[in-house]
Amino acid sequence: DAGITQSPRYKITETGRQVTLMCHQTWSHSYMFWYRQDLGHGLRLIYYSAAADITDKGEVPDGYVVSRSKTENFPLTLESATRSQTSVYFCASSESSDSANTGELFFGEGSRLTVL
Amino acid sequence: GQQLNQSPQSMFIQEGEDVSMNCTSSSIFNTWLWYKQDPGEGPVLLIALYKAGELTSNGRLTAQFGITRKDSFLNISASIPSDVGIYFCAGQPDSGGGADGLTFGKGTHLIIQP
Repeated sequence: DAGITQSPRYKITETGRQVTLMCHQTWSHSYMFWYRQDLGHGLRLIYYSAAADITDKGEVPDGYVVSRSKTENFPLTLESATRSQTSVYFCASSESSDSANTGELFFGEGSRLTVL
Repeated sequence: GQQLNQSPQSMFIQEGEDVSMNCTSSSIFNTWLWYKQDPGEGPVLLIALYKAGELTSNGRLTAQFGITRKDSFLNISASIPSDVGIYFCAGQPDSGGGADGLTFGKGTHLIIQP
């Protein structure tokens, strides 16, 4: 059972380049989330999705774009990467609105992005 | 957004010792959760609490939902090397909490000294 997988696990890019982080889940969970983890800030929500073709902004959405054409995939794109977007990015999923509303999430292993 | 104050920020303990950490908020929460993050991995849910006063165990871990609904505690008994990691509290606030309402604390780094 693959669960939730992220790729790439590590990425180095340059300022101004476009970067896409992939997230795939095999559970058919309705909800998917993107968080970033930074020292001193903990986990902060970037975007989330309640279902295919439904996405909403989280706490820190600026500079990011998401899409969800299929239930199992939720890619995160940095259209023009900046140094402040250097972070560890976590994708997460939740089975239903009930579990999403109570915070019961399954996280991927993370993607460490460095923007030079 | 909501702020969660998690303490201590880090703990250096000996194997076999008991561990206590807590999380407080200035506002009321409906749900409290505790996650653990192993080095290089994503967080994993340990315990979820849904009711004020609730006390729930998961093996050597015990967590409590504070009576005031503004705090939660996590205890680990008889620590072992695999307990090393970062422990995050998280909560869903009482007011307007939806899927985007989950707030995380900044984590407690647990380090076990040989």
